[in-house]
Amino acid sequence: EAQVTQNPRYLITVTGKKLTVTCSQNMNHEYMSWYRQDPGLGLRQIYYSMNVEVTDKGDVPEGYKVSRKEKRNFPLILESPSPNQTSLYFCASSFLGASGTDEQYFGPGTRLTVT
Amino acid sequence: AQSVAQPEDQVNVAEGNPLTVKCTYSVSGNPYLFWYVQYPNRGLQFLLKYITGDNLVKGSYGFEAEFNKSQTSFHLKKPSALVSDSALYFCAVRPIQTGANNLFFGTGTRLTVIP
Repeated sequence: EAQVTQNPRYLITVTGKKLTVTCSQNMNHEYMSWYRQDPGLGLRQIYYSMNVEVTDKGDVPEGYKVSRKEKRNFPLILESPSPNQTSLYFCASSFLGASGTDEQYFGPGTRLTVT
Repeated sequence: AQSVAQPEDQVNVAEGNPLTVKCTYSVSGNPYLFWYVQYPNRGLQFLLKYITGDNLVKGSYGFEAEFNKSQTSFHLKKPSALVSDSALYFCAVRPIQTGANNLFFGTGTRLTVIP
């Protein structure tokens, strides 16, 4: 089954304790992206990657890191989480066709609470 | 700068009635336009997209959307609403001139279909 998986699905942590949210896709997609969803703000892009070893900042990258060492994986790293990073996080992936119009496939989400 | 507006946070409609979820956008040049749906505790699912050609686009689950360039709108419609259509709907835009498949999302509209 074609899918994007994220782990963990739920996480409660404390300020300053480093954490990683994993994302993996099995569709051989070149493009991967992380979003955060907050009430009244919709989805905002954190980081994206157009291929292995190619990453770039989205609209809200502060406090986050990513890496793309393999095509299928795109982990999101919070080196020192703070309460304002409490949010619902989504990973997404897609092909990068010639027109760049391929729809994105989303993971199930990770609900993070930082106390 | 690009932006997407979904002017209604909440839309209520009776089962069997037609529904419309509104979306307007602001982007330099011509955009690619998307609608996604989010069911409770799930990731976003692709519904439909406008790339070029016919202004009326048909998508999944009987939904359609009409692209109106002069009004910079891309409203989502369905002739007869089902209770199962109750969900959170997001409009998104991708500027054509960007190389990456980065989407800019609206804030979402919660659709409730009343039995």
